[in-house]
Amino acid sequence: EVPLVESGGGLVQPGGSLRLSCVASELTFSSYWMSWVRQAPGKGLEWVANIKQDGSEKYYVDSVKGRFTISRDNAKNSLYLQMNSLRAEDTAVYYCVRQIGGPSSYWGQGTLVTVSS
Amino acid sequence: QSVLTQPPSASGTPGQRVTISCSGSSSNIGSNPVNWYQQLPGTAPKLLIYSNNQRPSGVPDRFSGSKSGTSASLAISGLQSEDEADYYCAAWDDSLNSYVFGTGTRVTVL
Repeated sequence: EVPLVESGGGLVQPGGSLRLSCVASELTFSSYWMSWVRQAPGKGLEWVANIKQDGSEKYYVDSVKGRFTISRDNAKNSLYLQMNSLRAEDTAVYYCVRQIGGPSSYWGQGTLVTVSS
Repeated sequence: QSVLTQPPSASGTPGQRVTISCSGSSSNIGSNPVNWYQQLPGTAPKLLIYSNNQRPSGVPDRFSGSKSGTSASLAISGLQSEDEADYYCAAWDDSLNSYVFGTGTRVTVL
C-alpha cells in the first residue's frame, strides 16, 4: 500500500484557487511533521510549507506567504494545501512529504498543478 | 534562487567514486543538519542521507555524507548505472525560516 497519495491538481486560471490533498495510509500520520515540496517543469526542488504534528506550527516559503495555507486533519490522516491567487510561476508538480529529513521520510508521487489561461 | 550551491553535473565510470559538494552559509549548513535526496528520472525524490551522514533503511552503504563548517558532501563509491539521477542537498535556514534545497547535481554514469 502506498503510504502517501496526493490529489487535487489540475488546470486553473491565473488568480484562481485550488486545494491539494494528501492521504496517508498509515495510522502514524499524526506522529510526523509534514511538508509540501514543488518542482516546476525541468527545474529543481522548492520547499513550499511544513506543519508540525499537532498543527501548532506552520512555515512557508516567502513566495507563497499570504496565498497558500497548509493544514492537516489527523483524524482523517490527511494533509492539505489551499492555494489562492495562483500565478503562472506556481505551475509545478506538488509533492506531499512525510518527515522531510528523518529515517521515516517518504515522498508521495506528486500532483501536477498548471496555472494558465 | 537557491541559497545552497551544487555543481550542475558530475560523472564517472562504473566502479568509480563520485563526490558532490554543497556550499551554504552559517544560517543553514553551518547550524543545521544536511539532508540529501536522489531523484531518478521520471520519479519522485527520495531521502538518501539525513542528519549529515545517516542512511535510511534500504539505502546502500555506497552512499555517504559528510559536513564541515558551511559545506557538505555526498560521496557515491562503486558507481553503478542505476545511480544516474539528480541529487539535491537541503537544510533548514534559520534566517529565512525556510527549508532550502540545493541547485541540484545531475550524475551521469559514462
